Amino acid sequence: EILLTQSPATLSLSPGERATLSCRATQSVSNSLAWYQQKPGQSPRLLIYDASNRATGIPDRFSGSGSGTDFTLSISSLEPEDFALYYCHQHKKWPLTFGGGTNVEIK
Amino acid sequence: QVQLVESGGGVVQPGESLRLSCAASGFTLSNFAMHWVRQAPGHRPQWVASVRFDGTTEYYADSVKGRLTISRDIARNSLYLQMKSLIAEDTAVYYCAKGKSPYADTFSSAFDSWGWGTLVTVSS
Repeated sequence: EILLTQSPATLSLSPGERATLSCRATQSVSNSLAWYQQKPGQSPRLLIYDASNRATGIPDRFSGSGSGTDFTLSISSLEPEDFALYYCHQHKKWPLTFGGGTNVEIK
Repeated sequence: QVQLVESGGGVVQPGESLRLSCAASGFTLSNFAMHWVRQAPGHRPQWVASVRFDGTTEYYADSVKGRLTISRDIARNSLYLQMKSLIAEDTAVYYCAKGKSPYADTFSSAFDSWGWGTLVTVSS
């Protein structure tokens, strides 16, 4: 099973600041890596697919990079609505797995 | 637009059964891989089961194999999860999710649409 480790667990930032979230896999997933945003009481929303492609309707302040085992989600300038939980997800190999999440909170 | 609406959750005792449904609209079920993902309170999402776009192959997490069965009704454009021999560890919100790319291999694309989920609680 491919394990995904996200860091940091919590990121405390102010609106307007840049957020950098990391996801590391225990083996290569090539570019089969997605990022989701989840707010309390809501279902996950796809932000980034295939490591670096923004999903439909996602603002360009969100960007993804990486391949193989190391991936990054960046939010260039945090908006109030961006404070949420973020999960990475690999769909390269069965069983599909999710990272433990990074909580981006208001400082 | 794409919409997924789950139903069928509830409170059951250990060992009992439950059938979850996911009504899909805005797309044709037979063109996309479909998935069930669950999330226990305060935990990360956990993939549960998937069905290939053409319905020929199903995939399950080891923890549910033999107890949960994914199926679909193309005429009703609906996805199902039959759950039996439920245990406390099955307690979670269950989401159905759609694969992003049509006619693609089951695990080749991310999940681009999710339902709001239905809560399953297994407790004596």
